[in-house]
Amino acid sequence: AQRVTQPEKLLSVFKGAPVELKCNYSYSGSPELFWYVQYSRQRLQLLLRHISRESIKGFTADLNKGETSFHLKKPFAQEEDSAMYYCALREKSSGDKLTFGTGTRLAVRP
Amino acid sequence: GAVVSQHPSWVICKSGTSVKIECRSLDFQATTMFWYRQFPKQSLMLMATSNEGSKATYEQGVEKDKFLINHASLTLSTLTVTSAHPEDSSFYICSAAVEGQGMFEQYFGPGTRLTVT
Repeated sequence: AQRVTQPEKLLSVFKGAPVELKCNYSYSGSPELFWYVQYSRQRLQLLLRHISRESIKGFTADLNKGETSFHLKKPFAQEEDSAMYYCALREKSSGDKLTFGTGTRLAVRP
Repeated sequence: GAVVSQHPSWVICKSGTSVKIECRSLDFQATTMFWYRQFPKQSLMLMATSNEGSKATYEQGVEKDKFLINHASLTLSTLTVTSAHPEDSSFYICSAAVEGQGMFEQYFGPGTRLTVT
């Protein structure tokens, strides 16, 4: 069975500080990992996916298979980054369903 | 971008009644839709996977006779909470999946808040 762990419920940083939201996974197959973000009073939306290897809104995430991690990073946090962030793993062998981590709330203080 | 709508956005019902929630993909066709449940300050828990024209696949612990899912077309899936009880009060979210050019993505609806009194 697959599992996604986000150890931090809340991460509070000052504006301009670096941010790292941790995500670890356990999965026996080849993982496909995503980060989703939910801003206040808005729906869940995709932030980035590991296969794209892209930077979105200054965020990047690298899949580390050795450490089974997919941490989300941003060098300089902005107040508008404050939101709930969910790491998710796609299980292609079981109907493409996503397994979500418990989420980390990022609070960026001015 | 792809848009998923849900209706209603919130509903209050009495214990013992049934409530239907609709999920629509507005500008694309989705062969697969997913239904999630989210409790306050908790993560999304997958309830079931809904495929157009076939029976839904329920996650372990989800009562299929209580949470009826119908996926009648490529743009509409419905979740009916039958004989609702206060413990069914929650935030229900649907998503619609698309895959193209090797990329997979789920687009999420805004959610429906159900309160059972």
